[in-house]
Amino acid sequence: DAGVTQSPTHLIKTRGQQVTLRCSPKSGHDTVSWYQQALGQGPQFIFQYYEEEERQRGNFPDRFSGHQFPNYSSELNVNALLLGDSALYLCASSLGADDSPLHFGNGTRLTVT
Amino acid sequence: QKEVEQDPGPLSVPEGAIVSLNCTYSNSAFQYFMWYRQYSRKGPELLMYTYSSGNKEDGRFTAQVDKSSKYISLFIRDSQPSDSATYLCAMKAAGNKLTFGGGTRVLVKP
Repeated sequence: DAGVTQSPTHLIKTRGQQVTLRCSPKSGHDTVSWYQQALGQGPQFIFQYYEEEERQRGNFPDRFSGHQFPNYSSELNVNALLLGDSALYLCASSLGADDSPLHFGNGTRLTVT
Repeated sequence: QKEVEQDPGPLSVPEGAIVSLNCTYSNSAFQYFMWYRQYSRKGPELLMYTYSSGNKEDGRFTAQVDKSSKYISLFIRDSQPSDSATYLCAMKAAGNKLTFGGGTRVLVKP
């Protein structure tokens, strides 16, 4: 039973560039959420996708956008990268948009120089 | 003030001791409470998921929720060096947006 898979595992970008991160949910799950975890802090909610639509969004600027595909996989896009965007980006999947437990992938470590 | 407060530690205990972790929160709308374990360079792993006040036990782990005090706890019995990790509390109201504490780093010494 495949868990949540994310790619790439590590990424180095330059300020001002754009980045796309990818996530495949756990088998049987249809909802994907994205979180940003800065070093030494807890994860912060970015947004959630269900039925290919953004259902909830946290306090992140419009530079952060996403997409969910018919096979439930998802992408996170970040435009005009800032040094402060350096973090571990975590994808979590669940069944349904509401109250089921979230299962996390191992994340993509993004470094912006 | 953060919605969820968690002591960052580090918390160092000898092997076999009980590890006691806790979080406080301010949002009365939180209904679901979770504990995650996160090893270095890994994603959070779900340990416990609770809804109501009271205790929930799973193996060596016991989660407690006191909604009247806005306080949750996790106890790890017979701690092992493999329990050394960062422990994150998380909670949510309706929907699936989780609000996390900052995490407590735990070190279990052989």
